[in-house]
Amino acid sequence: DIQMTQSPSTLSASVGDRVTITCRASQTISTWLAWYQQRPGKAPKLLVYEASKLESGVPSRFSGGGSGAEFTLTVSRLQPDDFATYFCQQYSRYPWTFGQGTKVEVK
Amino acid sequence: QVDLQESGPSLIKPSETLSLTCSVSDSVSLSNYHWTWIRQPAGKRLEWIGRIYVSGNTNYNPSLKSRITMSMDTSRHQFSLRLTSVTAADTAVYYCARGLEIKQFDRWGQGILVIVSS
Repeated sequence: DIQMTQSPSTLSASVGDRVTITCRASQTISTWLAWYQQRPGKAPKLLVYEASKLESGVPSRFSGGGSGAEFTLTVSRLQPDDFATYFCQQYSRYPWTFGQGTKVEVK
Repeated sequence: QVDLQESGPSLIKPSETLSLTCSVSDSVSLSNYHWTWIRQPAGKRLEWIGRIYVSGNTNYNPSLKSRITMSMDTSRHQFSLRLTSVTAADTAVYYCARGLEIKQFDRWGQGILVIVSS
């Protein structure tokens, strides 16, 4: 199975900060990577697919990048609604696998 | 906007069979979508269980393949998961989701907590 490793596991930040989360795959996956946001008690929400394509309705302060085995999710200016857990997911090879999650918390 | 809702038991005994259903507010018959089950044990990462197309074609996680069956009922706008011989390791929040080949999971249910305990 392809292992997905996110860093950091927890990120402390303030409103207005620029934050970047990294996701590394144990094998190359081209750009078959998605990013999701999950708030406590809520369903995950798709933010980015194919590594850099923004899902419809997602604010433009979110951006994804990378290819091969290293990827990033950046929030350009953190808003109160953005304090949540983010996780990456590869869909290059079965079984599809997820990162362990990065919690963005209030500093 | 398409809504998904999981239903099933919240408590199940070891060795029993878990049956979950996902009800979709719109048609499940569109051929470009697939319908997926994902689970998350407390404090652990999400685990993809498997997916099914309206054609009936399925892909399962090899770690669970011997114990799972997925099916669809297009007339009821539902798809289902059956997991046999459950153990405490199957305790998790189970999510159903809609997927696209390119986008992956663009709609999710709220999740249902299933506890395996005697």
